Amino acid sequence: ETGVTQTPRHLVMGMTNKKSLKCEQHLGHNAMYWYKQSAKKPLELMFVYSLEERVENNSVPSRFSPECPNSSHLFLHLHTLQPEDSALYLCASSQDPRGGYNEQFFGPGTRLTVL
Amino acid sequence: GQNIDQPTEMTATEGAIVQINCTYQTSGFNGLFWYQQHAGEAPTFLSYNVLDGLEEKGRFSSFLSRSKGYSYLLLKELQMKDSASYLCAVEDSNYQLIWGAGTKLIIKP
Repeated sequence: ETGVTQTPRHLVMGMTNKKSLKCEQHLGHNAMYWYKQSAKKPLELMFVYSLEERVENNSVPSRFSPECPNSSHLFLHLHTLQPEDSALYLCASSQDPRGGYNEQFFGPGTRLTVL
Repeated sequence: GQNIDQPTEMTATEGAIVQINCTYQTSGFNGLFWYQQHAGEAPTFLSYNVLDGLEEKGRFSSFLSRSKGYSYLLLKELQMKDSASYLCAVEDSNYQLIWGAGTKLIIKP
């Protein structure tokens, strides 16, 4: 148990569906991240929120939409996804990384399958 | 561009020692992390190096050479539970982590 929870753990959706992934951290951190993990590929950073403001958006398609209502919660809203979006989506949190030490704590991930 | 290289897969025997290498080219350097990830689970922090040299933590040690852009993770007295993927990540000048693709370590009895 890392102090970061994600729901759901597994999700199967069609290309026309709309769904949301939820992440919650209980560590008192002020930065949160969404990553995409595909087999045999490096973790891909999708979004970063620091102090509830988005600080990075690495050219992620608009069918992925993040929301950070407060420093403990992070959502990833999904709509009209493609089969190639099937992957493990990991949420992580850390203290403000601008302090120079960015140890990140990860949730267990949501295994997403797009049919 | 930024690049982290590590072997895709390694096999070792229970009780033995294994060294997993990581080479990197990044925009700036604020430290190097090693994480362990068991199948279907979250990555968990193993070690952090920011200065050259060896950091030892029980059965696990991590080494860094900044001039060579090189690190390794050394696992001693291997146990079956050490079967996992090991991820190398470099914190760049923007304080973000750049990740390698991970090394899948298979431990055989």
